[in-house]
Amino acid sequence: NAGVMQNPRHLVRRRGQEARLRCSPMKGHSHVYWYRQLPEEGLKFMVYLQKENIIDESGMPKERFSAEFPKEGPSILRIQQVVRGDSAAYFCASSPTGLASGNTIYFGEGSWLTVV
Amino acid sequence: QQQVKQSPQSLIVQKGGISIINCAYENTAFDYFPWYQQFPGKGPALLIAIRPDVSEKKEGRFTISFNKSAKQFSLHIMDSQPGDSATYFCAASIQGAQKLVFGQGTRLTINP
Repeated sequence: NAGVMQNPRHLVRRRGQEARLRCSPMKGHSHVYWYRQLPEEGLKFMVYLQKENIIDESGMPKERFSAEFPKEGPSILRIQQVVRGDSAAYFCASSPTGLASGNTIYFGEGSWLTVV
Repeated sequence: QQQVKQSPQSLIVQKGGISIINCAYENTAFDYFPWYQQFPGKGPALLIAIRPDVSEKKEGRFTISFNKSAKQFSLHIMDSQPGDSATYFCAASIQGAQKLVFGQGTRLTINP
């Protein structure tokens, strides 16, 4: 059973470009979470999605950031017009029935975004 | 209220010693307290977790101690090994919520 798969693992973007980060959850998992980790800091919740629905986006910056989890295919975290402050590790996690029902969430290995 | 405060920021322990990392919280609605281990360049991996109905949980060399009245919980690593060198994060979640609140992390180094 493959783990949570994220790609790309490393991404370099110039200021003003777009970054797209992809996440394929573990098999059988329909709950997806995105977290951001700034250098030397803990992880911060960004968004929680189920198939075709954004359930909680309370941690997403109001502008430039969006997330989706389509019926088919991976979840996508999209950052438009990137700025240097977006440089961070972005982690996706998945769960079979969600953290609220007592399940563990499993993290991927992360996508490291560097904005130059 | 949503914060989890973790200490120390970094910790050096001799091989075979006990590593202790502490976390404190304010929100009494938190009801799930996991610890994650993260190696450089990797994602966090669940190590051990506890709910507030028990005061201690042990899995191998790893033990969580939970003090509900003090709103504190800690991770103890017995017989610490160089392979335990990593960053450790405590976290908490509110009953019914879908998000984890993480502490700031502790960089643990075990000297051989």
